Amino acid sequence: GQNIDQPTEMTATEGAIVQINCTYQTSGFNGLFWYQQHAGEAPTFLSYNVLDGLEEKGRFSSFLSRSKGYSYLLLKELQMKDSASYLCAVRGDDYKLSFGAGTTVTVRA
Amino acid sequence: GAGVSQSPSNKVTEKGKDVELRCDPISGHTALYWYRQRLGQGLEFLIYFQGNSAPDKSGLPSDRFSAERTGESVSTLTIQRTQQEDSAVYLCASSSAGTVHNSPLHFGNGTRLTVT
Repeated sequence: GQNIDQPTEMTATEGAIVQINCTYQTSGFNGLFWYQQHAGEAPTFLSYNVLDGLEEKGRFSSFLSRSKGYSYLLLKELQMKDSASYLCAVRGDDYKLSFGAGTTVTVRA
Repeated sequence: GAGVSQSPSNKVTEKGKDVELRCDPISGHTALYWYRQRLGQGLEFLIYFQGNSAPDKSGLPSDRFSAERTGESVSTLTIQRTQQEDSAVYLCASSSAGTVHNSPLHFGNGTRLTVT
């Protein structure tokens, strides 16, 4: 089975940095995805990691350590529009994507 | 097509009735997924179709739930004898190739099902 854990909620100030951690235990590993979901909307793809290390995309970066079963999503220069739920998802041996419960990030002025 | 399309966007039904939810994936996408999301919770995997392979139905919560897909196009999720616990947003997603590791899922806007 798949077990994916991430914190439930995080709060940060506009302009600050927030790091969302994700730990996983899965049957096989074929990549880790991060999605953003605004309230009442569909999830949208943010990043993909399959090799160890950091992937940077503008204000967002994602890190992976396969040996530790660990990833984080780093959001820099936070903006009010970044208030959303952030979903960690792992693709296992069967190629389907299993999602964590999501981390709700609230950005305050 | 432009994106994943789901219909209806909202469905209110009485307990005990059957409902059918529809998903039109992005043209050319061979993999199609159904997920359920209860209010304030994460995505719960229901079923996965990949090309002409037998679907992975391991996430269907009971035999009241079934899904079909015609080739590599439209899919329907049917819930029979609906219960109040079935109230949730049902999300459909497709990806370009389920066996390509880095192909992300593209989600539709979901069907919000309310069972009264």
